[in-house]
Amino acid sequence: AQSVAQPEDQVNVAEGNPLTVKCTYSVSGNPYLFWYVQYPNRGLQFLLKYITGDNLVKGSYGFEAEFNKSQTSFHLKKPSALVSDSALYFCAVRDNAGNMLTFGGGTRLMVKP
Amino acid sequence: DSGVTQTPKHLITATGQRVTLRCSPRSGDLSVYWYQQSLDQGLQFLIQYYNGEERAKGNILERFSAQQFPDLHSELNLSSLELGDSALYFCASSEGMNTEAFFGQGTRLTVV
Repeated sequence: AQSVAQPEDQVNVAEGNPLTVKCTYSVSGNPYLFWYVQYPNRGLQFLLKYITGDNLVKGSYGFEAEFNKSQTSFHLKKPSALVSDSALYFCAVRDNAGNMLTFGGGTRLMVKP
Repeated sequence: DSGVTQTPKHLITATGQRVTLRCSPRSGDLSVYWYQQSLDQGLQFLIQYYNGEERAKGNILERFSAQQFPDLHSELNLSSLELGDSALYFCASSEGMNTEAFFGQGTRLTVV
C-alpha cells in the first residue's frame, strides 16, 4: 500500500529565510508526487507536481520541490518565505495505475515577521 | 476558484439521520475523489470514481456510499450519522488518472 509521511507537524521560519517542508513516500513503481496548500476554511490548492523528468520542479507562488528517488523524498522548498505563506501543506502520492491520491498528515508552516 | 463545486457548504443534522453531499467536477474531468478531513486525522481518502465506475476505495464506512452519474457529477451519501462523522468532506476532480486533482471548497458536516 502506498503512503506518505510528513515528519514535522509544524515548521517555523522567519520571513525572508528559506523554508523546507519535508515529505517521504512509499509506492509501487514510479511515483506521481504532488504538493497542495490549504488556507483556513478553504479547500486544497494545487502547488506543483512531479511526474517525470527534472528532479527539481517549480510551482506556484515561488515554491519548488526536489524529487530524490534514492531517498524516496519530495521536499517542498522556497528561497525566501513570506508571512502570507503561513498555511497547512500537504504532500500526496499517486501510484502507477493512477488510483488513490494518498495524502500525508500535513505540516503547518508558520512564517513570522 | 478551482472549478469544482460542492453543495451544500454547511450542513447540520442530528444523529441517526442521512445526508447527501453533491459534487460537480471541473468541466471535462472524468475522475472524482471524496475525502474526509477531521481535526486530528488529516485527509482520509474515501472513494474514487472514473467516468462513472468505482476505481478505488479507501477507508469508507459501510454507512457511506457514493456514485458518479452519467453527467459526471457525484454524490456522497452518509447514513445513520454519528457524532464522529462531523468533519469537512472534500470532493476533488482530475482530468485523467495521472494529472493533478483540483479540490472543491468542501462541505462542513456537523452532527449534533
